[in-house]
Amino acid sequence: GQQLNQSPQSMFIQEGEDVSMNCTSSSIFNTWLWYKQDPGEGPVLLIALYKAGELTSNGRLTAQFGITRKDSFLNISASIPSDVGIYFCAGPDTYNAGNMLTFGGGTRLMVKP
Amino acid sequence: DGGITQSPKYLFRKEGQNVTLSCEQNLNHDAMYWYRQDPGQGLRLIYYSQIVNDFQKGDIAEGYSVSREKKESFPLTVTSAQKNPTAFYLCASSAYRDTEAFFGQGTRLTVV
Repeated sequence: GQQLNQSPQSMFIQEGEDVSMNCTSSSIFNTWLWYKQDPGEGPVLLIALYKAGELTSNGRLTAQFGITRKDSFLNISASIPSDVGIYFCAGPDTYNAGNMLTFGGGTRLMVKP
Repeated sequence: DGGITQSPKYLFRKEGQNVTLSCEQNLNHDAMYWYRQDPGQGLRLIYYSQIVNDFQKGDIAEGYSVSREKKESFPLTVTSAQKNPTAFYLCASSAYRDTEAFFGQGTRLTVV
């Protein structure tokens, strides 16, 4: 079963606001991945993190690999309507799934124009 | 262009019929996966394959079957034994089991 917990489960924000979401695990991860799924489409990889403490940006998106290696964070600055979708964290779960890629339950983002 | 292709995008079937969903990748990836997604929910792993002619059950394999006769292809059959088959099905592939996965566009299956 899933070992990654994403928070919050959903967010409803005003256009222009900044967004923060996180992903936590009970075990250490060596890689953190963040995906975005547009409605009716497959998830698309946004950012990949490979080192504890790493901070990586992709446009208005910034993700960080937590120093404990048990969490990761995704921030979106100045949100726009096309940011709507479900954001998933993922990583290879060494301790619970034989290094199999494991996904969090997702954070659903809704943006009000 | 390299990528992963699922077909069809939308599929309708009558209850009691088996249906096969196609997934093809030209990324030369060893690992392939099938996920099920229900409205407003996350991804649940149905089956995965790390190499040709080998596959393992995921968390919700009951009522589904797969084959991996070619590296590029990983079709999923939704059998009549699956009690609630209506869902959005996603196929993915990755170079290895612990590397980034790339997803297809999904197949929305509706059973009436």
